[in-house]
Amino acid sequence: EPEVTQTPSHQVTQMGQEVILRCVPISNHLYFYWYRQILGQKVEFLVSFYNNEISEKSEIFDDQFSVERPDGSNFTLKIRSTKLEDSAMYFCASGQYNEQFFGPGTRLTVL
Amino acid sequence: EDQVTQSPEALRLQEGESSSLNCSYTVSGLRGLFWYRQDPGKGPEFLFTLYSAGEEKEKERLKATLTKKESFLHITAPKPEDSATYLCAVQWGGGSNYKLTFGKGTLLTVNP
Repeated sequence: EPEVTQTPSHQVTQMGQEVILRCVPISNHLYFYWYRQILGQKVEFLVSFYNNEISEKSEIFDDQFSVERPDGSNFTLKIRSTKLEDSAMYFCASGQYNEQFFGPGTRLTVL
Repeated sequence: EDQVTQSPEALRLQEGESSSLNCSYTVSGLRGLFWYRQDPGKGPEFLFTLYSAGEEKEKERLKATLTKKESFLHITAPKPEDSATYLCAVQWGGGSNYKLTFGKGTLLTVNP
């Protein structure tokens, strides 16, 4: 059964550094998403991406964040200058229409 | 005010003891209500989508139902492997707005 994959599974970085989180969505899906979950809190929407552009973004998704679909298979989330409060699990999700299937997540730790 | 509220926050059951989890929502223009299962340190695993009041869906020991303002996830004769956090999420609004708004989840523990 096809599934969403994410790399790396765990990323440790220093405050102020740039990180890129990578996702491979399910191949015939058209909609792509990033969510995050701070430890002990609920899953929060960051951004949705359709037809090679951002379709919606949350207040969390400020100028420090960007997304890209550099080729036909990858979907990336870049954080330009990480802050301590960016430490969280980051989940990629994809869907053909309104249903969303999540990847296993990348645990980002900012020191 | 939370748009999606799940109760209880935690539920401990004995194996075979059936129960229900609740998800209530205050959004208008519901497009879909989603149930996911999440194991510790893992991503949410899709279980069900419900679209309209009165709809029911079943998968093994789980049955999800939807009314106009809430959904129930019924667990019949649970097993220890059903232990997980169960997340409810809603999709609402118009246009190309497909984002999910999640509740805080119910942590289910099933003891053998």
